[in-house]
Amino acid sequence: EAGVAQSPRYKIIEKRQSVAFWCNPISGHATLYWYQQILGQGPKLLIQFQNNGVVDDSQLPKDRFSAERLKGVDSTLKIQPAKLEDSAVYLCASSLDLLVGTDTQYFGPGTRLTVL
Amino acid sequence: QKEVEQNSGPLSVPEGAIASLNCTYSDRVSQSFFWYRQYSGKSPELIMSIYSNGDKEDGRFTAQLNKASQYVSLLIRDSQPSDSATYLCAVNKDTGRRALTFGSGTRLQVQP
Repeated sequence: EAGVAQSPRYKIIEKRQSVAFWCNPISGHATLYWYQQILGQGPKLLIQFQNNGVVDDSQLPKDRFSAERLKGVDSTLKIQPAKLEDSAVYLCASSLDLLVGTDTQYFGPGTRLTVL
Repeated sequence: QKEVEQNSGPLSVPEGAIASLNCTYSDRVSQSFFWYRQYSGKSPELIMSIYSNGDKEDGRFTAQLNKASQYVSLLIRDSQPSDSATYLCAVNKDTGRRALTFGSGTRLQVQP
């Protein structure tokens, strides 16, 4: 079974530029999460989807971050414009279904973003 | 107060010893508890989950949960150098949403 795929793996941009990340979850997984992990910290949830609907985006800085999962499969996360403090690893995770008991989240390899 | 607190370490143990990693959480309604292992430059990998008070064993790993004290721990027996990593404690507060709140992690170093 293929794992969670993410691209690109690395991205370097200058502040005020835009950037987009892509995630393809494990086949059949209804729930998709985007986390931000700043160096030395644990991952922090940005947004959670169930199929193509948003379950939780309370911690997403909506003035600059946006995310979508239009067909309930792939997802993109965009930052526009980027700030220095956005430098982090952006992790995508998926799980079978948030309505399923003992649901395990599987993480992708992450995208390391450096904002100069 | 952080929602999930862990000692950042590093925790250094000799090979073959027991490593004990601790985590406290602030929200009493928390339902599910997880330990993830994260190697440097890699993504988190689930190693244990625990949902009820007591101990849960899986191979060399034992998770312990005490909801009254709001405390979760992970014991690693017969520690190996390959266990050297950062261990993240994660808590799920809302079974309806299942998103995890992570601690900052404890770095474990197993000395050969």
